[in-house]
Amino acid sequence: EAQVTQNPRYLITVTGKKLTVTCSQNMNHEYMSWYRQDPGLGLRQIYYSMNVEVTDKGDVPEGYKVSRKEKRNFPLILESPSPNQTSLYFCASSPLPTAGRNEQFFGPGTRLTVL
Amino acid sequence: GENVEQHPSTLSVQEGDSAVIKCTYSDSASNYFPWYKQELGKGPQLIIDIRSNVGEKKDQRIAVTLNKTAKHFSLHITETQPEDSAVYFCAASQRAAGNKLTFGGGTRVLVKP
Repeated sequence: EAQVTQNPRYLITVTGKKLTVTCSQNMNHEYMSWYRQDPGLGLRQIYYSMNVEVTDKGDVPEGYKVSRKEKRNFPLILESPSPNQTSLYFCASSPLPTAGRNEQFFGPGTRLTVL
Repeated sequence: GENVEQHPSTLSVQEGDSAVIKCTYSDSASNYFPWYKQELGKGPQLIIDIRSNVGEKKDQRIAVTLNKTAKHFSLHITETQPEDSAVYFCAASQRAAGNKLTFGGGTRVLVKP
């Protein structure tokens, strides 16, 4: 089954304790992206990657890191989480936007609470 | 950068009635406008999209219209059913920005039986 998986689905942590949220896709997509979802703000892009070893900042990158060492994986790293990073996080993947193939496929989400 | 406004933030309709959600965008270079549906506990899923060279697109009970001059686009759901209850997001994108989507704030739709 074609899908995007994220782990963990739920995480409660404390300020300053480094954490990683994993994301993996099995559709051989070049493009991967991380979003955070907050009430009334929709989804805002944190980081994205157009291919292996190619990453770039989105709209709200402060406090986050990413890496793209393999095509299928795109982990999100919070080196020193703070309470304002409490949010619902989504990973998404898609083919590169050629020939009209723009659909992004989203994972199930990771609900993060930073105390 | 692009800014997308979405209204209303909540919408309650009676089963069988129509629902309309409206979005405006700021960047005239945007040329791709998808709509995503997010059910409880799940990630958003694409339900319909429209490109700037088309004014209207329909897929069964859902339709999207685009007015490039006014920079707004709308989602229309006819004959609503309880399973249409969800949060809907509009978004805008442009080829020059890769695959970057700028989302509206979302509309929570409740269909009352």
